[in-house]
Amino acid sequence: AQSVAQPEDQVNVAEGNPLTVKCTYSVSGNPYLFWYVQYPNRGLQFLLKYITGDNLVKGSYGFEAEFNKSQTSFHLKKPSALVSDSALYFCAVTNFGYGQNFVFGPGTRLSVLP
Amino acid sequence: NAGVTQTPKFRVLKTGQSMTLLCAQDMNHEYMYWYRQDPGMGLRLIHYSVGEGTTAKGEVPDGYNVSRLKKQNFLLGLESAAPSQTSVYFCASLAGGYEQYFGPGTRLTVT
Repeated sequence: AQSVAQPEDQVNVAEGNPLTVKCTYSVSGNPYLFWYVQYPNRGLQFLLKYITGDNLVKGSYGFEAEFNKSQTSFHLKKPSALVSDSALYFCAVTNFGYGQNFVFGPGTRLSVLP
Repeated sequence: NAGVTQTPKFRVLKTGQSMTLLCAQDMNHEYMYWYRQDPGMGLRLIHYSVGEGTTAKGEVPDGYNVSRLKKQNFLLGLESAAPSQTSVYFCASLAGGYEQYFGPGTRLTVT
């Protein structure tokens, strides 16, 4: 069975500092990994994905993530946080079995303090 | 392009009442999904569809039914609402690059 863990419910970081939001996963076969962001009272928005290729992937709004197969991790990073980055972040995984069934983590709330 | 739209945005039901949530997408996507979002639990898949006329159960299908009569529409029905179905419901469709596009959500309260 597929599963996603986001070990931190909340991450606080000062504006201008680097940020990391952690994600680990469990899936049989090759993982396809995603990060989404949710702003208050909005739907989820796609940030970035890892399908194959370079382990470091870059996405929207200056975010990037590193796929680490041996540690089964896909941590989200940004070199310099902005107050506007404050939101709820979700990691998701699929192995593209029938139906492209995605499993989401519980979410991590990021607060960037001015 | 409107993307993915959901109606209604808010609804309050009494226990035992029924309702249908409508999801529409204008991107010609084959795959569509219904999720519920509860605090601390992330998104859980209710039902999904891999094409017009097909549906399948997800992680938490009990108490819900779905239909995909047209490619652009995916309906989620609650036949007899229960307080445990109080949640925020999101519809999504799957792009060719495997990223999902989400609707704005429907906030449902069952009293």
